[in-house]
Amino acid sequence: QKEVEQNSGPLSVPEGAIASLNCTYSDRGSQSFFWYRQYSGKSPELIMFIYSNGDKEDGRFTAQLNKASQYVSLLIRDSQPSDSATYLCAVDSGYSTLTFGKGTMLLVSP
Amino acid sequence: NAGVTQTPKFQVLKTGQSMTLQCAQDMNHNSMYWYRQDPGMGLRLIYYSASEGTTDKGEVPNGYNVSRLNKREFSLRLESAAPSQTSVYFCASFGDANTGELFFGEGSRLTVL
Repeated sequence: QKEVEQNSGPLSVPEGAIASLNCTYSDRGSQSFFWYRQYSGKSPELIMFIYSNGDKEDGRFTAQLNKASQYVSLLIRDSQPSDSATYLCAVDSGYSTLTFGKGTMLLVSP
Repeated sequence: NAGVTQTPKFQVLKTGQSMTLQCAQDMNHNSMYWYRQDPGMGLRLIYYSASEGTTDKGEVPNGYNVSRLNKREFSLRLESAAPSQTSVYFCASFGDANTGELFFGEGSRLTVL
């Protein structure tokens, strides 16, 4: 059983701070890693993907991947109240399927 | 452009009743999926269809059946609903192979009494 672990939170940060979300995965053969954002009562939407070790930046978001440690993280700079949501880490499981973590709830206070 | 459309959005069933959740996508995607989401459990894959004419079990297939009617449509059937199947169900289709993006429907909230 492939596993993806996330701290459920909530992670509370003040507006303008950096939010750091973490994820570990069990399958050393996984090649692709994704961060989805899910607002309460809504469906998940992709915000970042990363395939290679290192950092990938997109606006205020940075995804970090360390395959040796089987660790993926998402940094959100200058956090805004509109970033308050649950962030789901997902890892490819083969056959075009994804295994999702349980998600980390982020709360950004004004 | 509708994307992924699920029906119904809400349904209440009694234990033992049957129902079918419908899903259709208009993005010409090959792969489609059914997930369930429960509080504290994240998204769990029920069944998927990598292409028209094929279906495969995911992590939690017991109590469900699926049909890939054509390239657009992928339905999920509960033959004899149980309270443990109370959940929010999401249909998704696989989009860009470069990004690995799943496109989700709005979800169907099912309550089994």
